[in-house]
Amino acid sequence: SQTIHQWPATLVQPVGSPLSLECTVEGTSNPNLYWYRQAAGRGLQLLFYSVGIGQISSEVPQNLSASRPQDRQFILSSKKLLLSDSGFYLCAWRGTSRLGPGEQFFGPGTRLTVL
Amino acid sequence: GDSVTQMEGPVTLSEEAFLTINCTYTATGYPSLFWYVQYPGEGLQLLLKATKADDKGSNKGFEATYRKETTSFHLEKGSVQVSDSAVYFCALTTFSGSARQLTFGSGTQLTVLP
Repeated sequence: SQTIHQWPATLVQPVGSPLSLECTVEGTSNPNLYWYRQAAGRGLQLLFYSVGIGQISSEVPQNLSASRPQDRQFILSSKKLLLSDSGFYLCAWRGTSRLGPGEQFFGPGTRLTVL
Repeated sequence: GDSVTQMEGPVTLSEEAFLTINCTYTATGYPSLFWYVQYPGEGLQLLLKATKADDKGSNKGFEATYRKETTSFHLEKGSVQVSDSAVYFCALTTFSGSARQLTFGSGTQLTVLP
């Protein structure tokens, strides 16, 4: 069966510090991968998605970047964090077949607080 | 573009009450429809899904029927429990686009009181 991991689970960082959040998927090959952010009391905002190694699409121009160095690894980064980067970051995966409903499966999330 | 509209929350119910959370959508294609649930401090879990008109998705006592004529996918449960307290998201995806992105509603906070 497939599983998705995110770490760290929680993170407190000062403004201006760098960021690296990691997401890995097990039990599937060549998944589509997604990064979302959920601000307190708000809905989900799609940040990045990737259809393959080294292929990143950005949905919202901002202080963050993403990379996919391996098939089942997706990394979210920042060189200098802003207060507005605080939130709950969720990674998700989907199989690449055009058949099927197209649901995404989410990781447990990383709670980031920027002080 | 595609969009999902959910009823505004928060919703507060007593245990064993009937639940309805409304969801309507607009989509350029023929979407698949989903309900996700998010318990406090956790990621989203797929609750149920439907892929074509008149399909009924069901799981854990929750149901939703894909109504193409009214472009709706309302979530219902006959008797809620305290453990159902969570945020519920309606979502859709279509076959357009290489990554088949999900379009989410804004979420509805449900609190069930004992």
